Amino acid sequence: DIQLTQSPSFLSASVGDRVTITCRASQGISSYLAWYQQKPGKAPKLLINVASTLQSGVPSRFSGSGSGTEFTLTISSLQPEDFATYYCQLLNSYPLTFGGGTKVEIK
Amino acid sequence: EVQLVESGGGLVQPGGSLRLSCVASGFTFSDHYMDWVRQAPGKGLEWVGRTRNKANRYTTEYAASVKGRFTISRDDSMNSLYLQMNSLKTEDTAVYYCGRSIPYSAHDVWGQGTLVTVSS
Repeated sequence: DIQLTQSPSFLSASVGDRVTITCRASQGISSYLAWYQQKPGKAPKLLINVASTLQSGVPSRFSGSGSGTEFTLTISSLQPEDFATYYCQLLNSYPLTFGGGTKVEIK
Repeated sequence: EVQLVESGGGLVQPGGSLRLSCVASGFTFSDHYMDWVRQAPGKGLEWVGRTRNKANRYTTEYAASVKGRFTISRDDSMNSLYLQMNSLKTEDTAVYYCGRSIPYSAHDVWGQGTLVTVSS
């Protein structure tokens, strides 16, 4: 099975900060990676599909990059509504594993 | 409006069974792959399994943690997805979400989740 390792697991940042979250795959997965945002008590929300495609309706301050084994989610200027937990997910190999999550909290 | 609504969660004893349902609306259900994803209290997301569409013969995939105990099925005439959970364990306690997908793509629509608690 392919493992996804997210880092950091916890991140403290201020409004306006540029934030980068990394997801590393245990073997190459081309661009088959997604990013989700989840707020407490809510279902996950798709942000980025196949590594870099911004989902419709998602603000342009979110961007994704990478291929192979290393991927990043970047928030260019953190907004109050962005404080949440972020997950990456494998899309091309079963099981469709999620990363362990990155909790972004207010500094 | 594109929507998924889960139901069927509740309290069940270890070793028991439960059937979850997910009803879709606002899109052509039969075209899509459908997945179940769960989240134990205070933990991360765990993919549970998938059913493919009719064109791919409704074949299924499961996580190792549930294989042989859980069964995913669907009824395209009812726009419904099901998760039959047998031989439940305390570690199956989680919020269960259904999600819409297509091959090699992410879950772009999610239900609100239904809580399953396995406890004596």
